[in-house]
Amino acid sequence: NAGVTQTPKFRVLKTGQSMTLLCAQDMNHEYMYWYRQDPGMGLRLIHYSVGEGTTAKGEVPDGYNVSRLKKQNFLLGLESAAPSQTSVYFCASSPGGPWMGEQFFGPGTRLTVL
Amino acid sequence: KNEVEQSPQNLTAQEGEFITINCSYSVGISALHWLQQHPGGGIVSLFMLSSGKKKHGRLIATINIQEKHSSLHITASHPRDSAVYICAVPHSGGGADGLTFGKGTHLIIQP
Repeated sequence: NAGVTQTPKFRVLKTGQSMTLLCAQDMNHEYMYWYRQDPGMGLRLIHYSVGEGTTAKGEVPDGYNVSRLKKQNFLLGLESAAPSQTSVYFCASSPGGPWMGEQFFGPGTRLTVL
Repeated sequence: KNEVEQSPQNLTAQEGEFITINCSYSVGISALHWLQQHPGGGIVSLFMLSSGKKKHGRLIATINIQEKHSSLHITASHPRDSAVYICAVPHSGGGADGLTFGKGTHLIIQP
């Protein structure tokens, strides 16, 4: 039981390049989330999904797209990376909504955009 | 949108001391989360509570729904408790859209 895994762990991009971050969970959770963490700020929600085939915008969705084609995977895409997207990205999953139970976090992806 | 304030931002204490971290939020909620972020960056959930008090080992979390306030206590603190402790509440009070996080309390326990 691996829990929540994220790929890759580190990445350096040049401005304008694209990439996809993969989050996978093996706990059969319905809810999945993408957060970013920046120095001096709390974690902020980018996008979330309440089930396979569904996605919704969070607090800071601009510049990102997501897909949830399979229940266990939640992909975060950057179509044209910008230096402002330099951050640590965390994926999380939970069996129900944030009022129902704890969230399980992946180890994070450290992204630098030059 | 819920706003979350934590205090103190930084706390340094000696091993064995009783630690209290406070969290206040602006919108009524159905549940509040306490999380721990290790020095290596990993985040783990410590508690989710909607009323009263919960205890796990040396950690105790309390919540006062009427006052919109929660506290995390650590008894007999140990250097391995050194971490960032984060309070979080549902983003819009009761919706599905993830959590709103405080900026965290950076705790250092000195031997």
